[in-house]
Amino acid sequence: KQEVTQIPAALSVPEGENLVLNCSFTDSAIYNLQWFRQDPGKGLTSLLLIQSSQREQTSGRLNASLDKSSGRSTLYIAASQPGDSATYLCAVRGSNFGNEKLTFGTGTRLTIIP
Amino acid sequence: GAVVSQHPSWVICKSGTSVKIECRSLDFQATTMFWYRQFPKQSLMLMATSNEGSKATYEQGVEKDKFLINHASLTLSTLTVTSAHPEDSSFYICSAPPRRGSEKLFFGSGTQLSVL
Repeated sequence: KQEVTQIPAALSVPEGENLVLNCSFTDSAIYNLQWFRQDPGKGLTSLLLIQSSQREQTSGRLNASLDKSSGRSTLYIAASQPGDSATYLCAVRGSNFGNEKLTFGTGTRLTIIP
Repeated sequence: GAVVSQHPSWVICKSGTSVKIECRSLDFQATTMFWYRQFPKQSLMLMATSNEGSKATYEQGVEKDKFLINHASLTLSTLTVTSAHPEDSSFYICSAPPRRGSEKLFFGSGTQLSVL
């Protein structure tokens, strides 16, 4: 059974700093990995999707890396802004037939201090 | 981009009543809808997968008679929590791919259910 862990559970950093969020998963047989942002009372917004054959994806100030063999992914946020405050979730999609569902981590609640 | 509209955003009800949650795809046809729930400080857990015109597929441990899913049209899927109890209090959220086979998922805004 796939298990996804995110550390830390919460993180507060001053505005302008670069930061890294971590995600680990137990079963390396994944199809892809996604990072989402969840704002309070709102739905999830997809930030980055990394295919199992890729090592990283970039979008603006965000960079996500994937090391499938070690079961790890990181989300790097450069020059953090107060608007980045949210809960960040990673989710993996299984590659085995019948296991295509997304398994989510518990998230990292990020607070950017102005 | 594709939008999934979910209503209500929050609901408080008495124990024993039923609650219906709706998810509508506004600018695409959602042939598949995934229903998740999230207890405080826990992960989103997939409850069931609904496909338009057919019966939903429930994950292990989810009671299909308690969580009724209807996906009668390509733009509307509903989740009804029947005879709700305090332990059903949770955040429920739906998601749908914009087209069959797409890896992207668009999420509703979620429904916070509190059962007294």
